[in-house]
Amino acid sequence: AQSVTQLGSHVSVSEGALVLLRCNYSSSVPPYLFWYVQYPNQGLQLLLKYTTGATLVKGINGFEAEFKKSETSFHLTKPSAHMSDAAEYFCAVSPSNFGNEKLTFGTGTRLTIIP
Amino acid sequence: DGGITQSPKYLFRKEGQNVTLSCEQNLNHDAMYWYRQDPGQGLRLIYYSQIVNDFQKGDIAEGYSVSREKKESFPLTVTSAQKNPTAFYLCASSIQGRTGELFFGEGSRLTVL
Repeated sequence: AQSVTQLGSHVSVSEGALVLLRCNYSSSVPPYLFWYVQYPNQGLQLLLKYTTGATLVKGINGFEAEFKKSETSFHLTKPSAHMSDAAEYFCAVSPSNFGNEKLTFGTGTRLTIIP
Repeated sequence: DGGITQSPKYLFRKEGQNVTLSCEQNLNHDAMYWYRQDPGQGLRLIYYSQIVNDFQKGDIAEGYSVSREKKESFPLTVTSAQKNPTAFYLCASSIQGRTGELFFGEGSRLTVL
C-alpha cells in the first residue's frame, strides 16, 4: 500500500518569494510521483511527474520537484511566486507496477499569494 | 479542442432521488475514472473503466453506479443508497499505460437538500 502526506493544508507566501510545498510518501515498491494543481471550481491539471531517471523534474509554470528516496520526499518548489500561482496543489503517488487505479492523492495544500 | 466535458456543473437533489452526472471525452482515451472530492480529504476513486463495456469498483463505490457503452462516455449515477452524496465529482481520462497522467473535467458539484 502507498500513502501521501502533505505538510501544511494552507501555505501563504509573498509575491516574488520562494514557494515550497511539502510532500512525503510511503510505498512498498518504487513509486511514481506527481504534482497536480487545481484552480477554484475546476478540475486538476498535471504540473509535473517523476517516474524514473533524473530526480529533479521540471514542470509547467516554472515549478520543479526533487525526488529524494532517502527522505521519501517529493517537495514542490518555485523560485518566485506569482499571483496566478494561487491554487490548491495535490501530491500523488502510484506504485510503478500498477496503473491509475492505485493512484493515491494527498489531502492538498492551498497556496495563497500575498501581494 | 480536445478535452473532457462534465455536466451539469451544479446540481441540487432531494434526498431519496437518483441523479446522473455526465462525462464525455473526445481525447480518444481508453481509460476513464470518477473521483469524489471532499474538503480536506483529497480525491477518492469511485469507479474506473479501462475499456468499453467493462468497469471496476474503486475505493468508495457503494451507492454509485456507472456504465461504459461508448468509448467517449462514462456517466455516473449517484443513487439514493449513497448516504452522504454532497460533494464535488471529477471525471478523468488517461491513455492506457500512462500512469498518473490524468486529464480532468471541470467537475460537477452535487448538493443534496
